[in-house]
Amino acid sequence: AQTVTQSQPEMSVQEAETVTLSCTYDTSESNYYLFWYKQPPSRQMILVIRQEAYKQQNATENRFSVNFQKAAKSFSLKISDSQLGDTAMYFCAFMFRTSNTGKLIFGQGTTLQVKP
Amino acid sequence: NAGVMQNPRHLVRRRGQEARLRCSPMKGHSHVYWYRQLPEEGLKFMVYLQKENIIDESGMPKERFSAEFPKEGPSILRIQQVVRGDSAAYFCASSPGGSGEQYFGPGTRLTVT
Repeated sequence: AQTVTQSQPEMSVQEAETVTLSCTYDTSESNYYLFWYKQPPSRQMILVIRQEAYKQQNATENRFSVNFQKAAKSFSLKISDSQLGDTAMYFCAFMFRTSNTGKLIFGQGTTLQVKP
Repeated sequence: NAGVMQNPRHLVRRRGQEARLRCSPMKGHSHVYWYRQLPEEGLKFMVYLQKENIIDESGMPKERFSAEFPKEGPSILRIQQVVRGDSAAYFCASSPGGSGEQYFGPGTRLTVT
């Protein structure tokens, strides 16, 4: 079975600094998606960034970027110029690309606190 | 374009009652997913539906839980004879196809007293 592991339950960063959240996953498949979702105190799940496994280039969305290491099955999220509004729980998630199931498999989450 | 709608946002039920959670997907989306989030945990997949069909219910408890997505109207997650362990946040997500980004609703927080 596919698993997603986030080994950092909690992290903190000073405002304007950079922080990296770790995620590893386990799969024997080669065609899949990886996602980072953000869950602020409002509990709304917000898509931060998406990576397709067949693409070698790391995805970037403004201050958010990923380091996708397919051979190592690693998918870390880098947040640059951290802002107070980035305070949230962050979830890494995996999805098969070719299956008809479409389900997301989530990690346990990392709580990020941005300090002023 | 309105996002995924869920109601109610908060639901309190006594043990043994039924809970009905509703989800209206984004306009143009015909794929709906339900997830459950227990306190301090990640989301766990429950069921994946398309209009009038259950595609994958591998995450649904075998008893008391059911889901539907009728031709007209919202998707419904029904929990019969609720127990305290059902207390959780239930999230619905939708997508235009069977893979790719899923867009989440605000969730329904179920409390069983």
